[in-house]
Amino acid sequence: RKEVEQDPGPFNVPEGATVAFNCTYSNSASQSFFWYRQDCRKEPKLLMSVYSSGNEDGRFTAQLNRASQYISLLIRDSKLSDSATYLCVVNDAGNMLTFGGGTRLMVKP
Amino acid sequence: DAGITQSPRHKVTETGTPVTLRCHQTENHRYMYWYRQDPGHGLRLIHYSYGVKDTDKGEVSDGYSVSRSKTEDFLLTLESATSSQTSVYFCAISQDRYNSPLHFGNGTRLTVT
Repeated sequence: RKEVEQDPGPFNVPEGATVAFNCTYSNSASQSFFWYRQDCRKEPKLLMSVYSSGNEDGRFTAQLNRASQYISLLIRDSKLSDSATYLCVVNDAGNMLTFGGGTRLMVKP
Repeated sequence: DAGITQSPRHKVTETGTPVTLRCHQTENHRYMYWYRQDPGHGLRLIHYSYGVKDTDKGEVSDGYSVSRSKTEDFLLTLESATSSQTSVYFCAISQDRYNSPLHFGNGTRLTVT
């Protein structure tokens, strides 16, 4: 079992839709969680950290569910420019940050 | 954006030749990392450094070596490039190992023919 898993998608959604991605992790002792965005042929860029109480940044909301060992990313009012691959990152058993395989989002007009 | 520069941006080389990729940072971060990204495998850690001359292996370190003689520079060397090392290589930096996010360079696209 991979330590950090994501549904690869693609998620095809219309503009204005709300879409949510989950990311499961295997190490219950993990402490640090992040969401990154990666555009085609570009480097991953930090989208937001995920805090225990959940956090929001504009149209983006990140949540942590420790009991079920997953983090989520909710995007409201999707824009064409949100089309990208979203990577979750978790502090793993060896205390290194481990990346999920990414979820591809395609927002259509 | 974090000040991270990778060079070269693109390189084509032949099997068996040595290749060195460079990562330069202006953020004075202690930790530096080399990742490779391949379809179906996502981002995988090759090596990382936690200070000048202090390095350690990641999950896919075979065939690679690194050096860090200055805080700002982290070099990745393929001693004898193989076709399986064709990939996109990303350098990243962070302030600490456990809780800080990574910030990535623009990447180096390496093709080994």
